[in-house]
Amino acid sequence: QQQVKQSPQSLIVQKGGISIINCAYENTAFDYFPWYQQFPGKGPALLIAIRPDVSEKKEGRFTISFNKSAKQFSLHIMDSQPGDSATYFCAAKNEQTGTASKLTFGTGTRLQVTL
Amino acid sequence: EAGVAQSPRYKIIEKRQSVAFWCNPISGHATLYWYQQILGQGPKLLIQFQNNGVVDDSQLPKDRFSAERLKGVDSTLKIQPAKLEDSAVYLCASSKDYRWAGDNEQFFGPGTRLTVL
Repeated sequence: QQQVKQSPQSLIVQKGGISIINCAYENTAFDYFPWYQQFPGKGPALLIAIRPDVSEKKEGRFTISFNKSAKQFSLHIMDSQPGDSATYFCAAKNEQTGTASKLTFGTGTRLQVTL
Repeated sequence: EAGVAQSPRYKIIEKRQSVAFWCNPISGHATLYWYQQILGQGPKLLIQFQNNGVVDDSQLPKDRFSAERLKGVDSTLKIQPAKLEDSAVYLCASSKDYRWAGDNEQFFGPGTRLTVL
């Protein structure tokens, strides 16, 4: 019940295109869904996050779409740029337990944006 | 504001040897995390500290892994003896206080890449 399934494993998008990465979760107690961006040799960095009280959150070219009934959420990168080439991880956690609540990460999507 | 510092950045050892990693979190962050990231997978939490106490070590292989944060600031993670399957990147992260829902972003260090031969 703690799994977060992420797809695709890798993605190649042309510059200016839309990159879409999908995640699905099982644990209905999850209430915080962040996306992390990781460049080679660096640690993951928080990109954008959503809570289930909204169905969409947009920050610049990055949008999270959230479907609570389907237990799915996705990251859309509009106008993809070569500088967006990185590995993206979705994650989920339960913030309301009042005790240790660990982030459960997906397996990652390696995005390559070509010229 | 300085980020999370980790050392060494790379380490190559033979199986059955010992190795230790060091982490210095962001100043003032009460919660410190150690993650293991195997190639092609997402980070997996090994242990979480709140100040100098352990909050969660349910996924730490305690027969060979140990960690401490004696003064509630720096932390070390040790593997003794190492196995081939321990080859991974070990990430340290810190956050203000894991109990503060809504203001508890985790900041990650660059990681230590361990290769066990």
